[in-house]
Amino acid sequence: EAGVTQFPSHSVIEKGQTVTLRCDPISGHDNLYWYRRVMGKEIKFLLHFVKESKQDESGMPNNRFLAERTGGTYSTLKVQPAELEDSGVYFCASSQATLKGNTIYFGEGSWLTVV
Amino acid sequence: AQSVAQPEDQVNVAEGNPLTVKCTYSVSGNPYLFWYVQYPNRGLQFLLKYITGDNLVKGSYGFEAEFNKSQTSFHLKKPSALVSDSALYFCAVRDRRDNYGQNFVFGPGTRLSVLP
Repeated sequence: EAGVTQFPSHSVIEKGQTVTLRCDPISGHDNLYWYRRVMGKEIKFLLHFVKESKQDESGMPNNRFLAERTGGTYSTLKVQPAELEDSGVYFCASSQATLKGNTIYFGEGSWLTVV
Repeated sequence: AQSVAQPEDQVNVAEGNPLTVKCTYSVSGNPYLFWYVQYPNRGLQFLLKYITGDNLVKGSYGFEAEFNKSQTSFHLKKPSALVSDSALYFCAVRDRRDNYGQNFVFGPGTRLSVLP
């Protein structure tokens, strides 16, 4: 069974440009999460989808970030325009159900460098 | 508010020796506790979790962790370290009362180096 897949694995863009990250969750997982770790700091929650609905987007840093999950399958996270402080690794994760003890499975991450 | 502390940024251990990576947490209620590992240039990989029951939890690759409620700790252990265990380890906590990912709080990570 395929795990959580993310694309691109690495991206280098200039400040002011746009980048779109894609995440394909594990098949059958309704819950999809985005996290990020910037500048070697702690891993921080960004948002949570249940199917196509945004359940919680309280972790989104500002309106330069836009996440979508049309059709409740894959998700995209767009950063527009990118700033230097957005550099870091963006993790996508999924889980089968919103159970409190449920394991969340992470992808390999999308490593973003803004120059 | 929930928080997770991993008091050691770096842990060095010789191959074959036992290893411990420390984690303490703070939550309002009872916690769900997780350990994840990140190998170089890879994603986060689930190792083990404590939900309920036996305080000693066994996970992947010979790792185990012990939930200690009185000390609010969930230290990760392995009896005999391998060089291939060298990686970044993250402890995470989730409050049983909350359903959503925002309350899946990670510690800052501990870098484990196993020396041959």
